[in-house]
Amino acid sequence: DVKVTQSSRYLVKRTGEKVFLECVQDMDHENMFWYRQDPGLGLRLIYFSYDVKMKEKGDIPEGYSVSREKKERFSLILESASTNQTSMYLCASSYVQGNNQPQHFGDGTRLSIL
Amino acid sequence: RKEVEQDPGPFNVPEGATVAFNCTYSNSASQSFFWYRQDCRKEPKLLMSVYSSGNEDGRFTAQLNRASQYISLLIRDSKLSDSATYLCVVTTPGGSSASKIIFGSGTRLSIRP
Repeated sequence: DVKVTQSSRYLVKRTGEKVFLECVQDMDHENMFWYRQDPGLGLRLIYFSYDVKMKEKGDIPEGYSVSREKKERFSLILESASTNQTSMYLCASSYVQGNNQPQHFGDGTRLSIL
Repeated sequence: RKEVEQDPGPFNVPEGATVAFNCTYSNSASQSFFWYRQDCRKEPKLLMSVYSSGNEDGRFTAQLNRASQYISLLIRDSKLSDSATYLCVVTTPGGSSASKIIFGSGTRLSIRP
């Protein structure tokens, strides 16, 4: 079974802090994704990566950055956290897009910015 | 018009009933289709892929209608445990890089005893 592990289930941080969300997958997937999910807005793609050291902006990248130094790990960084970044953050991974493989999600991180 | 649209529901049906919902997509070049289920405060989990010929997995049947650009999910003999939000996912050809993956906003299903 695919295992996607997010570092924290719940996280509380303060406005202005730099926040790191970590995601690790154990299936040697090329693609990794970060989403946020908010009531009434569904899943929105923040960033994705299709290879080590590669990254592409999703639909809402503002206020975020990412890092993919190793294939199995994809980090989401909130450079200076703001209250409107309080949300559920979901990491996902999949095999190469060319095969249109489904995504597998981690448990999610509920982040609260105070 | 949204690229992927679902009826948000909620669908409230009695246990044992058959329920079906659709998901429409706007891009005729869409390539892959999936149904996910998401329980409250949990992550989405893959329920089934949707193939051109239609496919069945136990009580669940998924179908694709390319001419009318929709996919459907049918649940027979519904169980209380089927209560969840069902998300449809459509993959379309991307721009410079990977395909674009689009999630519907989900259909809430509630099964009552």
